[in-house]
Amino acid sequence: SYELTQPPSVSVSPGQTARITCSGDVLPRKNAYWYQQKSGQAPVLVIYEDRKRPSEIPERFSGSSSGTLATLTISGAQVEDEADYYCYSTDRSGYQRVFGGGTRLTVL
Amino acid sequence: QVQLVESGGGVAQPGGSLRLSCAASGFKFNSYGMHWVRQAPGKGLEWVAFVQPDGRETFYGDSVRGRFTVSRDNSKNTLYLQINSLRVEDTGLYYCAKDFHLEELLPYYMDVWGKGTAVTVSS
Repeated sequence: SYELTQPPSVSVSPGQTARITCSGDVLPRKNAYWYQQKSGQAPVLVIYEDRKRPSEIPERFSGSSSGTLATLTISGAQVEDEADYYCYSTDRSGYQRVFGGGTRLTVL
Repeated sequence: QVQLVESGGGVAQPGGSLRLSCAASGFKFNSYGMHWVRQAPGKGLEWVAFVQPDGRETFYGDSVRGRFTVSRDNSKNTLYLQINSLRVEDTGLYYCAKDFHLEELLPYYMDVWGKGTAVTVSS
């Protein structure tokens, strides 16, 4: 079982706001990271250290974290944002890294 | 530019062994920790292992500890993953990835990924 829990799927219409959550006991103490993986491609980092965005990632992507819940928000989701999204952090020991189960975002 | 290219995947029998390689270029390889991440067909990402920049210490996920060995040859800018006692559930795409932090001794997060090498374990 995953130590980071994500909903299996989220669906929005183009232009709407998509929110993907990640729940884990470690999140009050450890940063969350978010990866986007489009079909047949390697993952891409979209959010690091809870809320920071790499310069090449569009501004519509944002992250937040409160207590045991981290959230990836895509404001004004676009069709090209359709992908699997994975949160990532550490396990309870602090020495292993762990991914959430992934959330498939559908934009249509 | 920063590039990671995995190789060594293929078809192997249960109980067998494989050694995966990852050739790195475009950055100072011996200054960064490196990760392996795998993905079973149609499944999610699984963090597998991390090796410190100088190769002294390694960290593993619970499901692979004792069967997998991560190592590196900094003179060749190459990362390795030795997989022993192969199981059917080891089937998947294996990615190598660079850690973001310079000279960090603990695994943090990956900022650059390769395209992966496919491993199939089947009798």
